[in-house]
Parts: sequence; C-alpha cells; structure tokens
Amino acid sequence: DVKVTQSSRYLVKRTGEKVFLECVQDMDHENMFWYRQDPGLGLRLIYFSYDVKMKEKGDIPEGYSVSREKKERFSLILESASTNQTSMYLCASRYGGPTEAFFGQGTRLTVV
Amino acid sequence: DAKTTQPTSMDCAEGRAANLPCNHSTISGNEYVYWYRQIHSQGPQYIIHGLKNNETNEMASLIITEDRKSSTLILPHATLRDTAVYYCIVGLNNQAGTALIFGKGTTLSVSS
Repeated sequence: DVKVTQSSRYLVKRTGEKVFLECVQDMDHENMFWYRQDPGLGLRLIYFSYDVKMKEKGDIPEGYSVSREKKERFSLILESASTNQTSMYLCASRYGGPTEAFFGQGTRLTVV
Repeated sequence: DAKTTQPTSMDCAEGRAANLPCNHSTISGNEYVYWYRQIHSQGPQYIIHGLKNNETNEMASLIITEDRKSSTLILPHATLRDTAVYYCIVGLNNQAGTALIFGKGTTLSVSS
C-alpha cells in the first residue's frame, strides 16, 4: 500500500516559532502537495512540487515556504508561526499525469 | 478559484443510488475530471477520474456529458459509510505538475 506519512498528528506551537511539517511518501511519486483545511473553506493549496528542488505556489503561499531536497520528502515551513495559521495541514503525493493522489492523515497545528 | 460547482449538501437513503452532480462548464479539452471524498477526520480518498468516456470501478461510476460541461458521480448502493464530503475537481494531464484544486464539495448524508 502507498503510504504518505506526516510527522505529527497534533502539534502545538507558540506565536513566532519556526515550524517544520514533514511529509514522506514511499511510492517514488514526482508530485507532492501541501494543503490546509479550515471549516467552511475546504482544502486550499499552499504549495506543490513536481520534482526535487522544484516548487510552485498554490493559492495561499503567504507565510509559508517549502523544501524538497529528496524525492520522497516534502517539508512545509512556517517561518514565524501566527495564530491564523492554526489549521489542519494535509500532505499528498501522486505520479505525474492523470493519476490518483494519496493523502496523509493530516497534522492539526495549533498556534498559541 | 475552483473551476467546479457542486451542491452544498445531499441526502440519500441507505441502499439507494446516490447521484452527485458537478458542473465544470469551463473545462478545457485536456482536463480530466476527478472525484475524491473525505470522511470526517481523515485525508481525502481518491474515487475515480475520467476524460470523456464514462468510467466505472469498484467504488463508483462516473458519467460525463458529451459536451464535458458536467458530470455525475454515482454510488450504486449507498451505505452509511459513504457519508462524507465529495469533491469534484478538474485538472490537467501535465507531467510537470498537476495541482488539484479542491472546492468546498458536497456533503452527502446517508441515512437508514
């Protein structure tokens, strides 16, 4: 089975901290994605990557950055966490082309 | 913004077919239609996708109109476990990276 693993299920951080959310996939997928999900707003794309060291901004990249140094790992970085970044963060991966995406279980981040 | 329009919510009786509509009137010729669903507290799960022909798998059937401006996801015999938010998405077949942009989806409630 394909696995997309997010490093933490729940995370609590303080305002101003630098936060790393890690995502690892085991299927050699080219594409990886970071979404956030908030009540009433659905899933919104933050960043995606279609190859190692390649990245593209999604709909809401402000306040976030990403890193993809190895094909299997895609990191989301909150440079200085703020309370409005409290959310559920979901990572996904897929091969290029019209294929299914696999999602991790999500990280519920609370910034206090 | 998402390029699809779906009803906010639908109800279905257990054992009956659930027909979930999606409007994608601005779809381009090389864009696929994808369906995902999200059960509470879990990451989204792929259901099915298609380009212009109708598709069927073990989970559902996808009916795409001839002009490709709308589609219907059919769950032939809905069960209580099919209660979820269903997302209809259009996306390119693009090796360089296909970002799946989610809308707010349809909340399907299956009751006994």
